[in-house]
Amino acid sequence: QKEVEQNSGPLSVPEGAIASLNCTYSDRGSQSFFWYRQYSGKSPELIMFIYSNGDKEDGRFTAQLNKASQYVSLLIRDSQPSDSATYLCAVDTGRRALTFGSGTRLQVQP
Amino acid sequence: DVKVTQSSRYLVKRTGEKVFLECVQDMDHENMFWYRQDPGLGLRLIYFSYDVKMKEKGDIPEGYSVSREKKERFSLILESASTNQTSMYLCASVGFAYEQYFGPGTRLTVT
Repeated sequence: QKEVEQNSGPLSVPEGAIASLNCTYSDRGSQSFFWYRQYSGKSPELIMFIYSNGDKEDGRFTAQLNKASQYVSLLIRDSQPSDSATYLCAVDTGRRALTFGSGTRLQVQP
Repeated sequence: DVKVTQSSRYLVKRTGEKVFLECVQDMDHENMFWYRQDPGLGLRLIYFSYDVKMKEKGDIPEGYSVSREKKERFSLILESASTNQTSMYLCASVGFAYEQYFGPGTRLTVT
């Protein structure tokens, strides 16, 4: 069973701080890694994806991938109350499908 | 922008009814997926489709079937709705980098 693990949280950070969300995966063959944001009662929204080891930046978001450690993270700089949501990590299964983690709930305190 | 639409945001059905959930995407994507999402269980894959008339079972296909007669439309069918199928149903369309774009979801209640 290919697994994706995330701490359920809640992760609480003050407004303006950096939020760090972490994800580990079990399948060493996975090549593609995705981060989604999901507001309560809404559907997941793609934030960004990463394939290569290292960092990938998009605005206030940075994804970090370490395939040797089977670890992917998402950093949110200058966190805003509007960033309060559940963040889902997803990993490709090799059959064009994704395995999703159960998500980390982020709370940004004004 | 990718647009994925689902036929209903909220649906209430009775036990034993046949239920159709429709999903339409406007990006000519080949791959489309159906998930359900329940508190504490996360997203679970029901069925997916690689192309018109092609389908594959996901992790929890029991009690469901699907139809893909046109590339843009992927339907999920609950053959005989049961209360344990009360859930949020999410359709996704897959881009060239295997990223998935979700529709707004259908919250189905079976009474």
